[in-house]
Amino acid sequence: DTAVSQTPKYLVTQMGNDKSIKCEQNLGHDTMYWYKQDSKKFLKIMFSYNNKELIINETVPNRFSPKSPDKAHLNLHINSLELGDSAVYFCASSHGGKVLTFGAGSRLTVL
Amino acid sequence: ELKVEQNPLFLSMQEGKNYTIYCNYSTTSDRLYWYRQDPGKSLESLFVLLSNGAVKQEGRLMASLDTKARLSTLHITAAVHDLSATYFCAVDVSGTASKLTFGTGTRLQVTL
Repeated sequence: DTAVSQTPKYLVTQMGNDKSIKCEQNLGHDTMYWYKQDSKKFLKIMFSYNNKELIINETVPNRFSPKSPDKAHLNLHINSLELGDSAVYFCASSHGGKVLTFGAGSRLTVL
Repeated sequence: ELKVEQNPLFLSMQEGKNYTIYCNYSTTSDRLYWYRQDPGKSLESLFVLLSNGAVKQEGRLMASLDTKARLSTLHITAAVHDLSATYFCAVDVSGTASKLTFGTGTRLQVTL
């Protein structure tokens, strides 16, 4: 069983479109995250939710909107996609401040 | 703003050799992580270092933390090809694993 699963794994879309990435964890963790890895492999946190409550909201365009329907799920919706949004988006989870477990990543390409 | 720097950014080494990757950070922290990422893959946790002087070892990799110097090292002993990957250190200053700041990554290539 995959601990942190993301869908889709690959996403190719046109500028201006809206897209979503879904994430689910079956580890019973209480905190979930979205990280963005750019083309230079630099990783940066975007959002974090603890028990469905937003606790970290980094300087991210408001075209990005996370949503956590329950503590096992954290989705990322992106409006009006831009070329600069092309990246790999990683979902992760942790419990009680312990080490993060990452998903396999979702590679978004905006044309 | 917390800055986390790794060096070198790229390391090509022969099998059997030893080398060290360095991770410097700019703000006091006593919680540092090392992750490994294979090309096109996810990040795999290697080590969690939670206090000054902490040392952890797994196979040919050994990580240490000096919180006074704000420095962590990842030492590779007798490298093998399977260790080829990108290695990231990440620092947490929030007291929980809620806001990791990652280093730039070190791409390690072990040649036969």
